[in-house]
Amino acid sequence: GAGVSQTPSNKVTEKGKYVELRCDPISGHTALYWYRQSLGQGPEFLIYFQGTGAADDSGLPNDRFFAVRPEGSVSTLKIQRTERGDSAVYLCASSPGLPPENTQYFGPGTRLTVL
Amino acid sequence: DQQVKQNSPSLSVQEGRISILNCDYTNSMFDYFLWYKKYPAEGPTFLISISSIKDKNEDGRFTVFLNKSAKHLSLHIVPSQPGDSAVYFCAALTDSWGKLQFGAGTQVVVTP
Repeated sequence: GAGVSQTPSNKVTEKGKYVELRCDPISGHTALYWYRQSLGQGPEFLIYFQGTGAADDSGLPNDRFFAVRPEGSVSTLKIQRTERGDSAVYLCASSPGLPPENTQYFGPGTRLTVL
Repeated sequence: DQQVKQNSPSLSVQEGRISILNCDYTNSMFDYFLWYKKYPAEGPTFLISISSIKDKNEDGRFTVFLNKSAKHLSLHIVPSQPGDSAVYFCAALTDSWGKLQFGAGTQVVVTP
């Protein structure tokens, strides 16, 4: 079946602009995670959804970052007033349930470059 | 606060030999660990995991060892194959919701 998809695959924007990154999880997966991977580092947790609600948003770096999952499927990560430090690969993962029995399946990521 | 560390950024190994990747963690509350493999332009894919109630888990050519007292785990790949060339991430499960904390990764290159 289809895996996790993310669009766009690449996004170049200018400092101060607003961007939206989309994640389509695997059908039927109730858990959805966003991570951010900066150059030379491992993925860093941003936010977790169980269904439509954000169960844990403790990883969001500041209030410029916001994510939604209105119908419990597709999720959008929104970044306002982008800064050069926001440049990274944004990864989305979905899981059919809670760990440890259920592993996370990652999408290919969106590479965000803020000029 | 980086609680999962992979101190070797790269590893080069000959095809057919053993690859050993190391990972250290600082939080003794962590009780479940995973290894992910990542190819360029793809997302990480799950490889193997281990619970703290075990000290070893094996899946084909991949074996993960856990030393709780040393807060250390390692991934062994035997024999290494060219398709194993990738970045390997060690991760710890930090809560019951599935939040993972990753190490910085080790780039493995398997040479013919």
